[in-house]
Amino acid sequence: AQSVTQLDSQVPVFEEAPVELRCNYSSSVSVYLFWYVQYPNQGLQLLLKYLSGSTLVKGINGFEAEFNKSQTSFHLRKPSVHISDTAEYFCAVTSYSSASKIIFGSGTRLSIRP
Amino acid sequence: DTGVSQDPRHKITKRGQNVTFRCDPISEHNRLYWYRQTLGQGPEFLTYFQNEAQLEKSRLLSDRFSAERPKGSFSTLEIQRTEQGDSAMYLCASSLGTSVSQETQYFGPGTRLLVL
Repeated sequence: AQSVTQLDSQVPVFEEAPVELRCNYSSSVSVYLFWYVQYPNQGLQLLLKYLSGSTLVKGINGFEAEFNKSQTSFHLRKPSVHISDTAEYFCAVTSYSSASKIIFGSGTRLSIRP
Repeated sequence: DTGVSQDPRHKITKRGQNVTFRCDPISEHNRLYWYRQTLGQGPEFLTYFQNEAQLEKSRLLSDRFSAERPKGSFSTLEIQRTEQGDSAMYLCASSLGTSVSQETQYFGPGTRLLVL
C-alpha cells in the first residue's frame, strides 16, 4: 500500500519569495507521483507528474518538483510566487500496478502575502 | 473543449434521505472515477469505471453507496439513507486510460453535500 505525507498544512509566504512544499511518500513498489492544485471553488488541476526519467519535473505556472528516491520525497518548488498561486496543493501517488487509484496527501494551503 | 462536469454543485438534505449525483466526463475518456473529500483532507478514492464496468470499489463505499455508468458515458453516484458523516465534497474525474502516460485524471468541480 502507498501513503503520502505532506509535512506542512499551511505555508504563508510573501509575494515574489521562493516557496517549497514538502511531500514524502511510502511504498513498497515503484510509484508515479503527482502534484495537484485546487484553487478556491474550483476542481483539482494537475500541476505536474513524475512517471520515469529525469528526476526534475517541470509543470505549469512555473512550478517544478524533484523526485528523490533515496529520501522518498517529491517536493514542489517555485522560485517566485504570485498572489494568484494562493490555493491548496495536493501531493499524490499511484503504484505501477494500480495506476488508476490515486492516493492523495492531506494538502498544503499556500497563502501569499502582498 | 469541455471538461468534467458535475451536477448539482451543492446539495443540502436531511438525514435519512436519498441523494443522487451526476458526473459527465470528458467525451473521449473511457475511465471515470469517484472520490470523496472531507474538510481539511485530500480526496479519497471511492470507485472507478472502465467504460460501463465498475472495476474497483474502496472499502469506504458502504452498502448505502452505489455508482453506475450504464452506457459508458455519464455516471451517477447514489447515497441511500444519508448520514451526517456523509457530508463531504464528492469529486468525479475522468481519464483516457489507454497507457500510463494517459492515465492523467481530470477532475470536475465537485458536488458539495451537507446532511442535516
